[in-house]
Amino acid sequence: TQLLEQSPQFLSIQEGENLTVYCNSSSVFSSLQWYRQEPGEGPVLLVTVVTGGEVKKLKRLTFQFGDARKDSSLHITAAQPGDTGLYLCAGVNNAGNMLTFGGGTRLMVKP
Amino acid sequence: DTAVSQTPKYLVTQMGNDKSIKCEQNLGHDTMYWYKQDSKKFLKIMFSYNNKELIINETVPNRFSPKSPDKAHLNLHINSLELGDSAVYFCASSQDGGRGRKAFFGQGTRLTVV
Repeated sequence: TQLLEQSPQFLSIQEGENLTVYCNSSSVFSSLQWYRQEPGEGPVLLVTVVTGGEVKKLKRLTFQFGDARKDSSLHITAAQPGDTGLYLCAGVNNAGNMLTFGGGTRLMVKP
Repeated sequence: DTAVSQTPKYLVTQMGNDKSIKCEQNLGHDTMYWYKQDSKKFLKIMFSYNNKELIINETVPNRFSPKSPDKAHLNLHINSLELGDSAVYFCASSQDGGRGRKAFFGQGTRLTVV
């Protein structure tokens, strides 16, 4: 079973601060995805990284896939209260038929 | 239009009952999934199913069974409900092919077993 560990589990910061969330595994994934989940809703895909070393930017969010395709990070610059939510990383297996989720990072950005 | 819809959104039932949660996707996707999210928000895959194969997470009790009447539907049937089954259950779908497959999730069904 492929496992993904996210850190930190909880993060409470002030508006304007920067933060990084990590997603690590001992397994290799064919691709890795980041989702954001709001209370009472299902996860919504933010980005998919496919190539080792790939970096993708989504406004103030920067996603990186590790060279060995075992880990990923999400960096948020100048966090805003609207960034508050549960961030989940998910790895796609080589067969492409299974998503394995990390434990999630609960982010709270205080105004 | 909702891409992946689940019903009901909330379900409260007694121990020992049998219940079903329905899921429908209108995206034309080939693969559908059921996930269980516990109180700590950990999302755990239960089943992955397309018209070719059913992949079952071996840790899922056999009281849980997916039923797919057609490609657009994957219902979750649960027998002899237990207190520990209380959680939020999410249905999702994705299109086969490629490493960048994107999963769309329903809004979840909050199951409470009393």
